[in-house]
Amino acid sequence: DAMVIQNPRYQVTQFGKPVTLSCSQTLNHNVMYWYQQKSSQAPKLLFHYYDKDFNNEADTPDNFQSRRPNTSFCFLDIRSPGLGDAAMYLCATSGPQGAGNTIYFGEGSWLTVV
Amino acid sequence: GNSVTQMEGPVTLSEEAFLTINCTYTATGYPSLFWYVQYPGEGLQLLLKATKADDKGSNKGFEATYRKETTSFHLEKGSVQVSDSAVYFCALSPYNTDKLIFGTGTRLQVFP
Repeated sequence: DAMVIQNPRYQVTQFGKPVTLSCSQTLNHNVMYWYQQKSSQAPKLLFHYYDKDFNNEADTPDNFQSRRPNTSFCFLDIRSPGLGDAAMYLCATSGPQGAGNTIYFGEGSWLTVV
Repeated sequence: GNSVTQMEGPVTLSEEAFLTINCTYTATGYPSLFWYVQYPGEGLQLLLKATKADDKGSNKGFEATYRKETTSFHLEKGSVQVSDSAVYFCALSPYNTDKLIFGTGTRLQVFP
């Protein structure tokens, strides 16, 4: 059974039109992440939460925002998508902070900007 | 700083061939090391991991040994199958953090 569930799997949005991607988890993990993966590249961390504490990576554009209303859900908001934001967005979770914790990924949400 | 370097792909093999994908890392302290696999159009799945020097991670016939002296974590499989065709990412998690730093990925193509 899927433990990290992302919706939608495929999203097409217009240039500049806000879009929200959602993630839910059944693992009760306190850490949740959003990664961006462009074609043929490695995933790049955008931000993550320890519980409700939000941690933004230094090079994440302001255009990307996130919300975590409770343990199970996390949202990625792209305020004004540009063509360069077309990518797969991966949500992930892990348990209490510690060495070697496994990070579990969802299947990803593909974003196309037209 | 922390970084991961993987061999460039694609790696093209015939079924039942031996596989090695090289991975070396740079890190302060003692990171944990991981291999993730990504099948076409899907997210990442953990393949194996090792959390300290000389540990061997193994899963589905794949193995990798954490070599501190050579800062390496090479992925091996004795006999690949067509179904192993995917992109393989080596990654590290710096000590006492849960962030993953990925290599650029290596595409494996296995032909019958």
